[in-house]
Amino acid sequence: QKEVEQDPGPLSVPEGAIVSLNCTYSNSAFQYFMWYRQYSRKGPELLMYTYSSGNKEDGRFTAQVDKSSKYISLFIRDSQPSDSATYLCAMKGGGADGLTFGKGTHLIIQP
Amino acid sequence: DGGITQSPKYLFRKEGQNVTLSCEQNLNHDAMYWYRQDPGQGLRLIYYSQIVNDFQKGDIAEGYSVSREKKESFPLTVTSAQKNPTAFYLCASSMRGLRGRNEQFFGPGTRLTVL
Repeated sequence: QKEVEQDPGPLSVPEGAIVSLNCTYSNSAFQYFMWYRQYSRKGPELLMYTYSSGNKEDGRFTAQVDKSSKYISLFIRDSQPSDSATYLCAMKGGGADGLTFGKGTHLIIQP
Repeated sequence: DGGITQSPKYLFRKEGQNVTLSCEQNLNHDAMYWYRQDPGQGLRLIYYSQIVNDFQKGDIAEGYSVSREKKESFPLTVTSAQKNPTAFYLCASSMRGLRGRNEQFFGPGTRLTVL
């Protein structure tokens, strides 16, 4: 069983819709959860960072973490064509090592 | 203008050759990382370094080597022992400390192709 599961998509929605992206994980040691946005052939850009369970909002983006279900989500409100990209979830425990990533969801916002 | 630079953007290698990918950061970050990304795959950790002159293997270190002689620089060498080196290579950096090391910032990447 892979540590982090993420539906690769593509997920296609009309402009202005609310987008829901999610990941599940199996390692209960994960405490820190991130969402990155990656445009084609570019490096990932950090969008959201959350610690433990709860919600965090930043502009049109909301990140949710449910550690009891081992499930994290990213919501995008008022989606724009410029939001079209691959969204990667990432997580780690308390150590000094690297992040564990999902495979990424390819999101397409139709004008 | 602070950030992470990687060079070259594109790199072509013949089988049997070693190549070195450059990563430089001017963010004054202590920690640096190398990841590999294959099509349709997430990023996988190759090596990481928390301080100068110290580094640790990640999940897929075989066929790779690194050095950390300066805080700003963390070059990655892809050796001929790496069986499938064609991939997109990403360098990242972060501050030290509990929260800092979890927020990793990425460079633009180097696309390596073996001919």
